[in-house]
Amino acid sequence: DTAVSQTPKYLVTQMGNDKSIKCEQNLGHDTMYWYKQDSKKFLKIMFSYNNKELIINETVPNRFSPKSPDKAHLNLHINSLELGDSAVYFCASSQDRGQSSPLHFGNGTRLTVT
Amino acid sequence: GDSVTQMEGPVTLSEEAFLTINCTYTATGYPSLFWYVQYPGEGLQLLLKATKADDKGSNKGFEATYRKETTSFHLEKGSVQVSDSAVYFCALKVQTGANNLFFGTGTRLTVIP
Repeated sequence: DTAVSQTPKYLVTQMGNDKSIKCEQNLGHDTMYWYKQDSKKFLKIMFSYNNKELIINETVPNRFSPKSPDKAHLNLHINSLELGDSAVYFCASSQDRGQSSPLHFGNGTRLTVT
Repeated sequence: GDSVTQMEGPVTLSEEAFLTINCTYTATGYPSLFWYVQYPGEGLQLLLKATKADDKGSNKGFEATYRKETTSFHLEKGSVQVSDSAVYFCALKVQTGANNLFFGTGTRLTVIP
């Protein structure tokens, strides 16, 4: 069973479109994250939710909006897509926000904006 | 502020060579330290962790020791295999602050037969 699953795996779309990426974890974790990985493999945190409450909201354009309907799901909606949004987006979860809790990552969604 | 500085790659080694990837950190408190590995086309996987000074994390032949005196958590493996080719990320997690998790920039390792 996949612990952290995100869909779709690949997403190709045109500039200006709106798209969503879904994420689900079946680990019973309290905390979920969205990361963006650029072409140089640099990982940047975008958002974090703890028990459906937003706790990290880094400097991300407000075209990006996370939604957590329950603590097992954290979806990412992106409006008016731009070329610079092309990247791999990773969802992750951790048992809690404690410093010894490691993150468990999904396999990523490769977004290509043309 | 809290941060991780990781050895820049890429690193290319022959099979069975010894591997060291350096990682040093800056933190206001006493962080937990992690190494993650990312194989091509996949997400990051936890490789090992250490939660206090002098702890040694180990997994799949990889080791790293939490050195408080040198603020380091270097990753080592005695004999690498082709299957170890991946990108390796050092990370730290602190107890306080809204954003309590910090990743290094990643080091790409290629092992050639």
